[in-house]
Amino acid sequence: GQQVMQIPQYQHVQEGEDFTTYCNSSTTLSNIQWYKQRPGGHPVFLIQLVKSGEVKKQKRLTFQFGEAKKNSSLHITATQTTDVGTYFCACPSSNTGKLIFGQGTTLQVKP
Amino acid sequence: SAVISQKPSRDICQRGTSLTIQCQVDSQVTMMFWYRQQPGQSLTLIATANQGSEATYESGFVIDKFPISRPNLTFSTLTVSNMSPEDSSIYLCSVHSGNTIYFGEGSWLTVV
Repeated sequence: GQQVMQIPQYQHVQEGEDFTTYCNSSTTLSNIQWYKQRPGGHPVFLIQLVKSGEVKKQKRLTFQFGEAKKNSSLHITATQTTDVGTYFCACPSSNTGKLIFGQGTTLQVKP
Repeated sequence: SAVISQKPSRDICQRGTSLTIQCQVDSQVTMMFWYRQQPGQSLTLIATANQGSEATYESGFVIDKFPISRPNLTFSTLTVSNMSPEDSSIYLCSVHSGNTIYFGEGSWLTVV
């Protein structure tokens, strides 16, 4: 079945360093979404990417959708302690349209 | 946007008992989704709650274990039946509004 792989599983960075998480699908995607879950919190929608090669920015966060629409990345520039949390990608199943979530990347930021 | 209220937010439950989680949305939505997030894991879809029809369950989840009600377009309940420690998880309801997906705050269940 369709799989969504997200790497790395964990990342520890020093405050001010950059961070990137990657999401890869076994099939071509209609869209991909990114979520952030703070420790003890619930997932919060960040963005949806739809177009091949699309790049969107939210302040220090840059989201990219691959040309083949099978992979995506989230890059955070100059991390801050407020960036701590788990970042999930999610994409609709090609069969059912229901969301499949990646395993998440947990980011720790050392002040 | 959509505001989702879930309760209980947390509970400690005895093995063998059942607990019903409520999800209230501030607007009418066609479908509501129930997810489970086991400790340190990602989100797994349990079922889709449709108003006026039976819920649609994902592989590995059955109605006897996770009965769902959807009495109207703003409310749903998920019951976790005959709980065991393996059911200790966060249970989240979710709705779509436009191109955005919203989650409730989650119900953190610990089964002892």
